[in-house]
Amino acid sequence: DSGVTQTPKHLITATGQRVTLRCSPRSGDLSVYWYQQSLDQGLQFLIQYYNGEERAKGNILERFSAQQFPDLHSELNLSSLELGDSALYFCASSVSERPTGELFFGEGSRLTVL
Amino acid sequence: AQTVTQSQPEMSVQEAETVTLSCTYDTSENNYYLFWYKQPPSRQMILVIRQEAYKQQNATENRFSVNFQKAAKSFSLKISDSQLGDTAMYFCAFTGSGTSYGKLTFGQGTILTVHP
Repeated sequence: DSGVTQTPKHLITATGQRVTLRCSPRSGDLSVYWYQQSLDQGLQFLIQYYNGEERAKGNILERFSAQQFPDLHSELNLSSLELGDSALYFCASSVSERPTGELFFGEGSRLTVL
Repeated sequence: AQTVTQSQPEMSVQEAETVTLSCTYDTSENNYYLFWYKQPPSRQMILVIRQEAYKQQNATENRFSVNFQKAAKSFSLKISDSQLGDTAMYFCAFTGSGTSYGKLTFGQGTILTVHP
């Protein structure tokens, strides 16, 4: 158990809908990272927050947004969903501001868009 | 932009044997970090080993070791005495201090199957 909790584990929704994925980092970790894993794109970095502030941005679509709350949990919001958004979404956390040390990953949220 | 390439989509090995997974990367940065992560069927990513680019000595963690060739931008993972529990997808990953700050870039992964 990595200590990172992601909910929900599985989510099935329809095109055009909006979903929110939630992540609770390991106790004491200030950084939260979001990744998308799909068969065609592999593991893609989406966004990173450190102590409530956005620190780095990757290939995150404008339809997607995220935030980190004062209690350090994070939410990834996906809107106007398309079939191609079906993927496994991982959250990871680390104590440092940069991912130079170990990242601790959650079990992922499997999103299926029908 | 940094890229990480794993040229072996799939590998297989017999239990107790040794296997090497390949990884190459492209970067103009001088200060960076390289990793191998493992994703078993349970799908949770787990760190296997980490290498700091400024350290010439290859990292070792029990049965796992790396061959880090900085000039060639190569970072291979050697698994000795393979065990059934090593069956997983293995990802090579990179992060630096320049344009890749805050980002961990992954390769496409290598599926490793350990046969009894």
